[in-house]
Formats: sequence, C-alpha cells, structure tokens
Amino acid sequence: DAGITQSPRHKVTETGTPVTLRCHQTENHRYMYWYRQDPGHGLRLIHYSYGVKDTDKGEVSDGYSVSRSKTEDFLLTLESATSSQTSVYFCAISESGEGYAFFGQGTRLTVV
Amino acid sequence: AQSVTQLDSHVSVSEGTPVLLRCNYSSSYSPSLFWYVQHPNKGLQLLLKYTSAATLVKGINGFEAEFKKSETSFHLTKPSAHMSDAAEYFCVVSDRISGGYNKLIFGAGTRLAVHP
Repeated sequence: DAGITQSPRHKVTETGTPVTLRCHQTENHRYMYWYRQDPGHGLRLIHYSYGVKDTDKGEVSDGYSVSRSKTEDFLLTLESATSSQTSVYFCAISESGEGYAFFGQGTRLTVV
Repeated sequence: AQSVTQLDSHVSVSEGTPVLLRCNYSSSYSPSLFWYVQHPNKGLQLLLKYTSAATLVKGINGFEAEFKKSETSFHLTKPSAHMSDAAEYFCVVSDRISGGYNKLIFGAGTRLAVHP
C-alpha cells in the first residue's frame, strides 16, 4: 500500500470553528488531492497540488483552503466549518498526475 | 468536460453468480477509465485501469472490464461473486485540467451486496 496517512481519522467540531486536516505521504509523489465523499455524489475534488506551494481549486472549493509547504504534507483547512461540510474527506497522491491515484483511509468530519 | 454515470446504485447477487456493474462515460477525447473499490470504512483501492491499450482490461480479484467506444461504456464484470466482493464500486474517468494535469471524475457509486 502507498504510504499515505490522514489525520485525524475522526473529528467532531462546532459550526464556525476552523478545522485543519492533514495528509502526509512517504512516496515523494508530486501530485496531491483532497476529495470529499457524500452519498449519491461519489468523490468530488476540493483542491489539488502539483508541487510545493503550487495549488489550485477543484469543483467544490468554496469554504476550503489548502497549503503545501513540503512535498510530503498537504493541509486542508475549513476556515469556518458549516454543517454542509460534514463529510468524509480523502487525500490522494499521484506520481505523474496523468491517471490513477492512491488514496488515504479518509477522515470523517462531523460539524454540529 | 468528462462525466461518468453508474447506471445502478445498488446491485445484489448470490455468491457464485456473475457480477455486472454498469458504467457509461462521456468524453470529448480518448479517455482513461478506472474502477475503484471501497470496502466499508476503508479507503479506495484501484481495481483496474484502461489507458487506450487492450479494450478488455483485467484487474485484481478476478474482475475485468471492457471498453466499448461505440457504446461509451466501461462495464465491470466478474464470473463468480464471492462474499468478500461486497463493497462500493466507483467508475472513474480521468479529465484533463489546467496545466496538463489530470483529475479523476467519479461516478456516484454502485453498492454491491453478495448473499450466501
């Protein structure tokens, strides 16, 4: 299995608080992605990174920001959590950015 | 833009019978297509991939998929279901985004149940 670690694995937070999820990889892959998984929607891309300090928005980026200061770490921040951000969040990595990716175990976030 | 439609949200089969999970895609060019599997409370695992080589693609655990351009389909099959195949399956197409990079477009998923 690819070396991807997401932390925390579970989190409950209150509406309006900031939350940061971490994705750490040991594969030295250039590309990293954050997806959210919701019933009936599959996985949807939030943000992606194609190198250190190089990031861009995906299809559902509103309310989220990301940072990548090192190759191995990709952080997802919810600036002010809302109930609509209750979801399971997956980090993925890809060596070439041209096809399939390896996924982490996911973080289940509940905003109450 | 690419998109993918999984035609069944739930499929139920008996152990030992064939599995068919249906997927249609739309693409303006020759796509790369994938099937991922997600077991309960687990991450996603790549089952197989099609990247414009052979149209019949073999994956792990006895699964295979056939790319049919004329039908814009990429259905997943397995001759004989096993209890351990119970999971959610995602059909995925690779879409080119800015800078020449790719992102993965997911279908909504098909939940496969296998009964004894």
